[in-house]
Amino acid sequence: SAVISQKPSRDICQRGTSLTIQCQVDSQVTMMFWYRQQPGQSLTLIATANQGSEATYESGFVIDKFPISRPNLTFSTLTVSNMSPEDSSIYLCSVKVWTDSPLHFGNGTRLTVT
Amino acid sequence: GENVEQHPSTLSVQEGDSAVIKCTYSDSASNYFPWYKQELGKGPQLIIDIRSNVGEKKDQRIAVTLNKTAKHFSLHITETQPEDSAVYFCAETGANNLFFGTGTRLTVIP
Repeated sequence: SAVISQKPSRDICQRGTSLTIQCQVDSQVTMMFWYRQQPGQSLTLIATANQGSEATYESGFVIDKFPISRPNLTFSTLTVSNMSPEDSSIYLCSVKVWTDSPLHFGNGTRLTVT
Repeated sequence: GENVEQHPSTLSVQEGDSAVIKCTYSDSASNYFPWYKQELGKGPQLIIDIRSNVGEKKDQRIAVTLNKTAKHFSLHITETQPEDSAVYFCAETGANNLFFGTGTRLTVIP
């Protein structure tokens, strides 16, 4: 399976600021996704990152708050904008090598907003 | 479907005993059922999965069973070891996205 690297692994940010999280995969993958995992909770899909076009967002998530880029088949970024303490979560990049492949996750970015 | 129930939320077993975690789903179109293990400070790791055309799948000490009629699937871990301690998530999908259960925190007591 693909090796997924996320940066930063953790950060503490002030409210009102923005943080961009990077996801790098060691091989080309068909699909890339961003998930959020709130403390002690399950995983919620934020959006599907589409190469060269706008991401597809799930209900409750909007582009202005979570802009996503995917310039190629190995890299994506998620920005958490105008952060508030409620945005404190683990943000996880995940990929499918092919459409029917299993979903694999990176180790996540642990974000704390103060 | 978006409704995946997972039980129990916490589970403690003695080392060497078996652990069973159960999930139920509501979407009859669901056809893929993976299980993930998440250790502290790490992302979820796929440990086993099953597709709807199979009733059971085994991989060493781990097995998954699927009952499509009753819409439930279970993870079985035999001969548990302390390194099995983690949070386990079930998931299901039909055509598109994976929907995750609420997680089970498994503690294996040495």
